[in-house]
Amino acid sequence: TAGITQAPTSQILAAGRSMTLRCTQDMRHNAMYWYRQDLGLGLRLIHYSNTAGTTGKGEVPDGYSVSRANTDDFPLTLASAVPSQTSVYFCASSDGDGSYNEQFFGPGTRLTVL
Amino acid sequence: GQNIDQPTEMTATEGAIVQINCTYQTSGFNGLFWYQQHAGEAPTFLSYNVLDGLEEKGRFSSFLSRSKGYSYLLLKELQMKDSASYLCAVRDSNYQLIWGAGTKLIIKP
Repeated sequence: TAGITQAPTSQILAAGRSMTLRCTQDMRHNAMYWYRQDLGLGLRLIHYSNTAGTTGKGEVPDGYSVSRANTDDFPLTLASAVPSQTSVYFCASSDGDGSYNEQFFGPGTRLTVL
Repeated sequence: GQNIDQPTEMTATEGAIVQINCTYQTSGFNGLFWYQQHAGEAPTFLSYNVLDGLEEKGRFSSFLSRSKGYSYLLLKELQMKDSASYLCAVRDSNYQLIWGAGTKLIIKP
């Protein structure tokens, strides 16, 4: 079982360029999330989606956008990358959002913006 | 504001017991999670507490006191493979997870 996959594994991006980080899950989970993880800080929620067709803003949404056209895919787009977006990005999913539901994480994308 | 506090780093000896503490101040409480994260890997779920008390799962146990805003993760019979970061996360009133920065646990032979 694949679970959650993310692509690319890592990327170096020039400042000002755009990029889409891909996330796909095969568990038919309703809820999906994008986090960034920076040294010394906890995981911070960027955007989330409780179900296909809906999205919401997390703690640090500026500079990022998402879409949820179907249950399986939840891409994250950086329209114009800046060096402060250098981070490790994790996609996660869970089976619902109102009860005990652990989040399952993808392997992460390590992004460096120069 | 919302805040989750954990020690930055702890060291323990193989075969011993270690307790990792977590204190929290959040807008609402809908459960507390512990995750394990090995270096360069994704976090993986360890435990969940929503009621006060101790939840035991093999070598790992997690305790919660909602009145004190406090939890701990207890790891027994430590093994070298337990060297990892341990993340505490609280689900707030919006059912979003608020994460601590994690505790890096170093196991020495």
